[in-house]
Amino acid sequence: AQSVTQPDIHITVSEGASLELRCNYSYGATPYLFWYVQSPGQGLQLLLKYFSGDTLVQGIKGFEAEFKRSQSSFNLRKPSVHWSDAAEYFCAVGAGYGGATNKLIFGTGTLLAVQP
Amino acid sequence: NAGVTQTPKFQVLKTGQSMTLQCAQDMNHEYMSWYRQDPGMGLRLIHYSVGAGITDQGEVPNGYNVSRSTTEDFPLRLLSAAPSQTSVYFCASSYRDRGRETQYFGPGTRLLVL
Repeated sequence: AQSVTQPDIHITVSEGASLELRCNYSYGATPYLFWYVQSPGQGLQLLLKYFSGDTLVQGIKGFEAEFKRSQSSFNLRKPSVHWSDAAEYFCAVGAGYGGATNKLIFGTGTLLAVQP
Repeated sequence: NAGVTQTPKFQVLKTGQSMTLQCAQDMNHEYMSWYRQDPGMGLRLIHYSVGAGITDQGEVPNGYNVSRSTTEDFPLRLLSAAPSQTSVYFCASSYRDRGRETQYFGPGTRLLVL
């Protein structure tokens, strides 16, 4: 069965510093992967997604993620963090038949704090 | 388009009470889902629907009922609320795309069961 692990529960970075949030998945075939962001008291907003093709995926707000099959990872990166990036970030994998994304399995999330 | 809307935003129930969480979307999406979010556990799928009249169970379906009589609406029913159902509930929708659906989430309903 598919699963997602986000090893870091909480991360603090300084404003302007680079960011990398880790995501590891478990799935036998090529997975369909997502990153969502949740600001306090808000719903989930899609940052980016990977279905196939180029393993480096660009998203909104200056985020990117790289799919690495050999490491079963889909880490999220941003070169320079802004205070408004403080939020909780969730990685998810398609869990429907054949990895379809009508059902999603989520990681437990990483809470990002940004220091001025 | 309003996207995915959920009502109410907040609700307090007593143990044993029943209620319905409403979810509506105006994007003509075939797929709709309900998730619950608990601290340290991420989001877990409760029930989902691939079209009007078709529903199926997700990861944590016990204590919840759903039906899908129209494309637009996908209500979630708690028949007899329990404190373990205290959570934040999110509804999501997506259009059919050959297994590559992108789910869009509503703002959530915060439920407290006393």
